[in-house]
Amino acid sequence: DTGVSQDPRHKITKRGQNVTFRCDPISEHNRLYWYRQTLGQGPEFLTYFQNEAQLEKSRLLSDRFSAERPKGSFSTLEIQRTEQGDSAMYLCASSEGQGYTEAFFGQGTRLTVV
Amino acid sequence: GIQVEQSPPDLILQEGANSTLRCNFSDSVNNLQWFHQNPWGQLINLFYIPSGTKQNGRLSATTVATERYSLLYISSSQTTDSGVYFCAVGRYGNQFYFGTGTSLTVIP
Repeated sequence: DTGVSQDPRHKITKRGQNVTFRCDPISEHNRLYWYRQTLGQGPEFLTYFQNEAQLEKSRLLSDRFSAERPKGSFSTLEIQRTEQGDSAMYLCASSEGQGYTEAFFGQGTRLTVV
Repeated sequence: GIQVEQSPPDLILQEGANSTLRCNFSDSVNNLQWFHQNPWGQLINLFYIPSGTKQNGRLSATTVATERYSLLYISSSQTTDSGVYFCAVGRYGNQFYFGTGTSLTVIP
């Protein structure tokens, strides 16, 4: 197992375009999280899944943001009509089971909106 | 949400020196992790330590959950220790709250 994998690593897009990022968690992990990190700040929670169920999405930044995990394995994060303020690092993490377990992060997708 | 404060915000050390990083949090937690963010942005797990003390080589960590703080000790620092160190806390396993980090620079 190679850990949490994110694709792409970098994305440059024009303002107004839609972008989609993919996260493949560690294979036996049921929980999957998305975070956003801007320069000089700690990661900020966006949403998480327990298997295919999205259990918390109120922290998604606007209705332009959506996430899916259709089969309880990989997940996608989509940003529609991107804005320059969406430029950030988007991080995915996974953990096993329920309750209090260690989370592992992927390498992130760095988004630049021009 | 839970407020997380890390100190100091910036730290410059001579190679070989020791340091202590602190993480204070505003509410009871069940999860606590320390991470090192490398220059490429990836968060590397250092410790999963909701309570007690752990050691891994030159690094050790202590969490006193009842007093709502955790400490990360780095001994005999090396230039490869440079980067940003984050403390992240959580309850119920549904999300982590991160501090703003301590930026460590180790000079040779």
